[in-house]
Amino acid sequence: QKEVEQDPGPLSVPEGAIVSLNCTYSNSAFQYFMWYRQYSRKGPELLMYTYSSGNKEDGRFTAQVDKSSKYISLFIRDSQPSDSATYLCAMRDGGFKTIFGAGTRLFVKA
Amino acid sequence: GAGVSQSPSNKVTEKGKDVELRCDPISGHTALYWYRQSLGQGLEFLIYFQGNSAPDKSGLPSDRFSAERTGGSVSTLTIQRTQQEDSAVYLCASWGLGIGELFFGEGSRLTVL
Repeated sequence: QKEVEQDPGPLSVPEGAIVSLNCTYSNSAFQYFMWYRQYSRKGPELLMYTYSSGNKEDGRFTAQVDKSSKYISLFIRDSQPSDSATYLCAMRDGGFKTIFGAGTRLFVKA
Repeated sequence: GAGVSQSPSNKVTEKGKDVELRCDPISGHTALYWYRQSLGQGLEFLIYFQGNSAPDKSGLPSDRFSAERTGGSVSTLTIQRTQQEDSAVYLCASWGLGIGELFFGEGSRLTVL
C-alpha cells in the first residue's frame, strides 16, 4: 500500500463547476500538507499549503485537512479552462522527505 | 540562476547504456530532491540531499541508480545499464528556507529503447 493514495482520474467538468480533489494517507506523522499544480511538460508548482488540520482558503481554492480520517481535499470554485492541469497532493512529517500522490488530471471544458 | 535547471531536457538511449542527468538548483537552496514521474505512478521519491548530512537514498529503486551532489550545489543522477522500465521524466527540486515549498525544474525525459 502506498503512503499516499490519490485517484489519477481523469476528471472532466464543465466551466463554472465546483471541483473536489482528494487524497488519503496512512502515515499519522504527516504534519504538512500541500497541493501542487502541474501543467503539461512543466514541473509542479505549489498551489496551497496547510499545517496540521483545518481549512485554508485562497481565492477560488480551499484546502481541507482531516487528520483524524487521514484525508485531505482541494476544492476549486468556479472552475476555469485554465485550471486544466494535474493536481498532486503532497505531505511530509517534520523532516525533509516529501511524499506525493499519483496526481489527478483535471479537464475543465469551456 | 533564477530557477532550477535540468539537463538534458530529453534523452533517448539504448537499453544497457549508462545515462547521467544533471540538476542545478536555485542558488542558496540547501535541500535538493530527485523524483521520477511515469504514467500512472505519480511522483516517485528517489533521493534527497540536505546540507552536509548523509543523503536519504530510501527511494532509489535499485543499485543501478546513484546520485551525488558536489559542493552543496549541482547534482547528478546516474542510471547504469538502463532498462526500458527506467523510461520516465526525472524531476529535480530544491528547497530553501520557509515553509518547505519545493521548486521544480522542468525535468529530463528519458526514453530507453
